[in-house]
Amino acid sequence: AQSVTQPDIHITVSEGASLELRCNYSYGATPYLFWYVQSPGQGLQLLLKYFSGDTLVQGIKGFEAEFKRSQSSFNLRKPSVHWSDAAEYFCVMTTDSWGKLQFGAGTQVVVTP
Amino acid sequence: GAGVSQSPRYKVAKRGQDVALRCDPISGHVSLFWYQQALGQGPEFLTYFQNEAQLDKSGLPSDRFFAERPEGSVSTLKIQRTQQEDSAVYLCASSLRRDRGHQAQPQHFGDGTRLSIL
Repeated sequence: AQSVTQPDIHITVSEGASLELRCNYSYGATPYLFWYVQSPGQGLQLLLKYFSGDTLVQGIKGFEAEFKRSQSSFNLRKPSVHWSDAAEYFCVMTTDSWGKLQFGAGTQVVVTP
Repeated sequence: GAGVSQSPRYKVAKRGQDVALRCDPISGHVSLFWYQQALGQGPEFLTYFQNEAQLDKSGLPSDRFFAERPEGSVSTLKIQRTQQEDSAVYLCASSLRRDRGHQAQPQHFGDGTRLSIL
């Protein structure tokens, strides 16, 4: 069955420290992959996307993600977090022809001073 | 506005009442999706429209849920005889049609409607 797994439900990180959010997918081929962020009371915002080509993709707000086919992973990273990065992050994939999104359960990021 | 607009932002209804949730997609966006996000979980797909055609309704949890997009722009999600388990945030997203390169276009989400069933 197709699935997206985010192993970490909750991560706490100090402001200025690096951040890495893990994501694994299960699918027989390479899906389209996305990372979305959801801030309190706000809609989902696309951070970055991977369709093909270069496995290291750059996104908005200083985020990047690396696609690793051998590990079926698409981890999100940021070298130095800001307090405004506190939010819920969703790893998302789509495999069907309409673009229906399948979300992971999300990782809640808390940023401490 | 330039984004996806959903109304109302909040809706409280008594169990058994019917509710209607509205979505105004970005102008020119052919594809429209509805998702349901329960508390503490990721959004789950409900249904998909391409213009006025509902091409996928496999995610609708029961026949109490009904969605329409009669003129290919505004969409309404209707829930009949609401139950407490219908309490969730309902998200609408729109996107451009897939281009000739068959690359899935990113979806743009509205702020959602938070539905509470008492």
